[in-house]
Amino acid sequence: DARVTQTPRHKVTEMGQEVTMRCQPILGHNTVFWYRQTMMQGLELLAYFRNRAPLDDSGMPKDRFSAEMPDATLATLKIQPSEPRDSAVYFCASGPRLFFRGGHNEQFFGPGTRLTVL
Amino acid sequence: AQTVTQSQPEMSVQEAETVTLSCTYDTSESNYYLFWYKQPPSRQMILVIRQEAYKQQNATENRFSVNFQKAAKSFSLKISDSQLGDTAMYFCAFMKPHLRGGSQGNLIFGKGTKLSVKP
Repeated sequence: DARVTQTPRHKVTEMGQEVTMRCQPILGHNTVFWYRQTMMQGLELLAYFRNRAPLDDSGMPKDRFSAEMPDATLATLKIQPSEPRDSAVYFCASGPRLFFRGGHNEQFFGPGTRLTVL
Repeated sequence: AQTVTQSQPEMSVQEAETVTLSCTYDTSESNYYLFWYKQPPSRQMILVIRQEAYKQQNATENRFSVNFQKAAKSFSLKISDSQLGDTAMYFCAFMKPHLRGGSQGNLIFGKGTKLSVKP
């Protein structure tokens, strides 16, 4: 049963520390997304990749956030330095190649990383 | 830019009854996809149902069905025979595909509706 995995599931850190979140997308999927969920903003896109190339990172604060896909089995999201306002749940999702007019054109979500920055 | 609006922050329904969750969206695109995702207290995002904009027929998945009104840009979710396990946040989402690149676009979510099913 293929699924998206994320580590860690929970992270508590102090302001100013570096945080790295990892995601293993479903093998064969060509797009990978990072979303952030907060009470105030809801679910919002941070960045996404197609065939490992960044396609859109306009939702990400560039001064402290960075997203990479070093290989097809790993996506990372880093925050340096972290701030209390970064406290949120971070979701990774992956999607298969799009089949126009048919197919499973959906995104599969990982369980999320709950980040708390003190 | 596309937007998704869910006007009901919270709803409740008695077990075994039917409930309808509302969603409207704004877009100038003609090709797109719409989704309902369920998020139980575990936080896992679970796909409930999907609709392709080119299809006139409303999608159904067991007890879940949608009323897709393309001209009105409306996409409501009906849950029949509600069960206690349906208690969750429900998110409506819009996706514009990248047809040339053969890939999905990002999901644009509504703020969600918290559904409580009461015994």
